[in-house]
Amino acid sequence: SQTIHQWPATLVQPVGSPLSLECTVEGTSNPNLYWYRQAAGRGLQLLFYSVGIGQISSEVPQNLSASRPQDRQFILSSKKLLLSDSGFYLCAWSLGVGNQPQHFGDGTRLSIL
Amino acid sequence: GENVEQHPSTLSVQEGDSAVIKCTYSDSASNYFPWYKQELGKGPQLIIDIRSNVGEKKDQRIAVTLNKTAKHFSLHITETQPEDSAVYFCAAANTGNQFYFGTGTSLTVIP
Repeated sequence: SQTIHQWPATLVQPVGSPLSLECTVEGTSNPNLYWYRQAAGRGLQLLFYSVGIGQISSEVPQNLSASRPQDRQFILSSKKLLLSDSGFYLCAWSLGVGNQPQHFGDGTRLSIL
Repeated sequence: GENVEQHPSTLSVQEGDSAVIKCTYSDSASNYFPWYKQELGKGPQLIIDIRSNVGEKKDQRIAVTLNKTAKHFSLHITETQPEDSAVYFCAAANTGNQFYFGTGTSLTVIP
């Protein structure tokens, strides 16, 4: 069966520091991969999605970037964090063909001080 | 782009009663409608989904209905239990598989 892992679960970073959040999927090949941000009391905002290695689409211009160095690895990065980057970050995967359910990891709670 | 609205934002029901959460969407090209349950500190978990060629789908105590003409779909939970307490999200997607989420409903089941 397929599983998705995100780490770390929680992270506290100072303003201006770099960021790297990692997501890996097991048990499937060539998945679509997604990064979402969830603000308190609000829905999920799609940040990036990828349909293959090195292929990244950005939905919201901002201080973050994403990379997909391997088929089942998706990384969310920032060179300099802002206070507004605080939030709950979720990674998800889906099969790459047609409309398929997205399956989420347990997220990273990021706090910027 | 697609716009999904979800109501109510909070819902309290007595254990054993039914709960209904409603969503509307704007893009007639949307053809896939999943529902997710999110418990505190966890990622959303898919609980049921429906495609546009079906009007209703049931899975034990959970059902989803879809009205394509009116562009709305609903989640129905019967015989609610305390473990049903969570935040529920609806979403709409088209063939590009980009999901557009509602803003969530916090459901509390009172024992």
